[in-house]
Amino acid sequence: EIVLTQSPGTLSLSPGERATLSCRASQSVSSSYVAWYQQKPGQAPRLLIYGASSRATGIPDRFSGSGSGTDFTLTIRRLEPEDFAVYYCQQYGSSSWTFGQGTKVEIK
Amino acid sequence: QVQLQESGPGLVKPSETLSLTCTVSGGSISSYYWTWIRQPPGKGLEWIGYIFHSGSTYYNPSLKSRVTISLDTSRTQFSLKLSSVTAADTAVYYCARGAIIRGVIIASPMDVWGQGTTVTVSS
Repeated sequence: EIVLTQSPGTLSLSPGERATLSCRASQSVSSSYVAWYQQKPGQAPRLLIYGASSRATGIPDRFSGSGSGTDFTLTIRRLEPEDFAVYYCQQYGSSSWTFGQGTKVEIK
Repeated sequence: QVQLQESGPGLVKPSETLSLTCTVSGGSISSYYWTWIRQPPGKGLEWIGYIFHSGSTYYNPSLKSRVTISLDTSRTQFSLKLSSVTAADTAVYYCARGAIIRGVIIASPMDVWGQGTTVTVSS
């Protein structure tokens, strides 16, 4: 099973700042099959990024993904108030999909 | 716009079988992958398994011996059964749909999710 480790656990930032979230895999993820989701309290996750760097439909371009192999990054260029949430990475390159433990982006 | 809605008992006794249904509305259940995911209180997401419209299934190896996912196309529903539950199975359970990426139907990632339903395992 591929273990995904997200860092930091919590990111305290102000609106307008840049957020950089990391997701590290215990082994290489095939074809960069990594997705990122946003989850707000009491809500289901929302797909942001797939294939490591492609934005899902309707996702603002302040969200971007990058990386390959074992290291992946989600960047939020300028935080808007609605971006404060928990973010999860997911790998679907192996037969057993796994998620990271999440990074909480909170208002400083 | 397709919507998913989970339903089922909110309380299940230890050692019994958890049964949930996901109803698909506003779209077809055919030609897609349908997935179950859960989230224990205060924790992260865990993939349970998925079913394709053809009926083929794939399960998380750690849960495989206890999980069954099935499809009822006539009712546009798919279901989850998890047997021999314990307190560790207490979670919010989500159903979700695999995305269409560049015209290709894929199992993951999931682009449409239900709101989730809370299941507590307790006597």
